[in-house]
Amino acid sequence: QQQVRQSPQSLTVWEGETAILNCSYEDSTFDYFPWYWQFPRESPALLIAIRPVSNKKEDGRFTIFFNKREKKLSLHITDSQPGDSATYFCAASGSGGNYKPTFGKGTSLVVHP
Amino acid sequence: EAAVTQSPRNKVTVTGGNVTLSCRQTNSHNYMYWYRQDTGHGLRLIHYSYGAGNLQIGDVPDGYKATRTTQEDFFLLLELASPSQTSLYFCASSDPGGGAETLYFGSGTRLTVL
Repeated sequence: QQQVRQSPQSLTVWEGETAILNCSYEDSTFDYFPWYWQFPRESPALLIAIRPVSNKKEDGRFTIFFNKREKKLSLHITDSQPGDSATYFCAASGSGGNYKPTFGKGTSLVVHP
Repeated sequence: EAAVTQSPRNKVTVTGGNVTLSCRQTNSHNYMYWYRQDTGHGLRLIHYSYGAGNLQIGDVPDGYKATRTTQEDFFLLLELASPSQTSLYFCASSDPGGGAETLYFGSGTRLTVL
């Protein structure tokens, strides 16, 4: 059973538009939700993360919206730039004995100039 | 900046071959992980460890062994490699107990099993 699901699988937007990437999870004990991005031929790297005590986390043009009741979160990228073109992974982990970082399958974002 | 070093960068072996992938971290992190990345599957956890001598089973462990010899070193072993294990392998480290839950990834090892 897939613990973390992402949609869409791929997304294309024009420069300046807002890209919305979606993520949902199964395990209600998850308490840390990072997003990683990965550029071609590079390793994944942390972009932004949120904990369930918050329903929103901003970092510049990147914002996570979190809905604990529905077990859903989304990453909004405003004023998208061609340099944002990458694969974005939603991940989740619990604490203590449930610490096992689990990744979604990723969303491939292409931003056209 | 956290440092995770993987070796080799590329490896080609034949079906039934014996392969060892190496990972060293210099972050003083307790946790280390092995993931495989395949198109359409994202990153899937093979094995992980929270200290020297410890091993935890991940989500796709079949056909893989792992050993954590020191806090710094984590090895992934394929004793009878199969073509289905052709993949890009990433090692990562983190320190969730120390408030550092971010995963720091190595550069990856691309394994081809012929």
